[in-house]
Amino acid sequence: AIQMTQSPSSLSASVGDRVTITCRASQDIRNDFGWYQQKPGKAPKLLIYAASSLQSGVPSRFSGSGSGTDFTLTISSLQPEDSATYYCLQDYTYPPTFGQGTKVEIK
Amino acid sequence: EVQLVESGGNLVQPGGSLRLSCVASGFTFNNYWVHWVRQGPGKGLVWVSRISSDGTSTSYADSVKGRFTISRDNAKNTVYLQMDSLRAEDTAIYYCTTRGGGSSRFDPWGQGTVVTVSS
Repeated sequence: AIQMTQSPSSLSASVGDRVTITCRASQDIRNDFGWYQQKPGKAPKLLIYAASSLQSGVPSRFSGSGSGTDFTLTISSLQPEDSATYYCLQDYTYPPTFGQGTKVEIK
Repeated sequence: EVQLVESGGNLVQPGGSLRLSCVASGFTFNNYWVHWVRQGPGKGLVWVSRISSDGTSTSYADSVKGRFTISRDNAKNTVYLQMDSLRAEDTAIYYCTTRGGGSSRFDPWGQGTVVTVSS
């Protein structure tokens, strides 16, 4: 199975900060990649699909980039409601695999 | 409103069985592949299984292969996950989700149903 390695595992930032989370795949996954946000007690929510496409209704401060093995999620100006755990996902091959998650806290 | 609602989670003893259901509304369910994803207590997300739109193709994680069976009834807009020979490590919240057009585009997700395997 393809391994997805996220970094960092957690971070703390202030409102208005630019935040970057990275995910590395153990092999080339083209752009079969997405980012998900999960708040405590809630289901995951799709933010980005196909590596860089913003899901409808998701604020434009979220953006995704990358292709191949290295991918990035950027929050351009962190907001209080962005406090959550973020997961990356590949479905280039089965089984689809998630990263271990990045917990984002607001200072 | 586009919605998925899971049910069927419960407390069950090791070796027991449960059947989870995922009911869809607000969209053309039989056009979509459906996936189950689980999350153990305090853990990350793990893909479990999927079924094609017409139900003829299925896939499973190695950890559940031979114990879990996914099926669907498009007339009822429902996907099922039959879980047999349950183990403590199957304890988790189970979510269903659909994969739309676009890579890694899993949306919407249900609210989840809790399965606890314990004696």
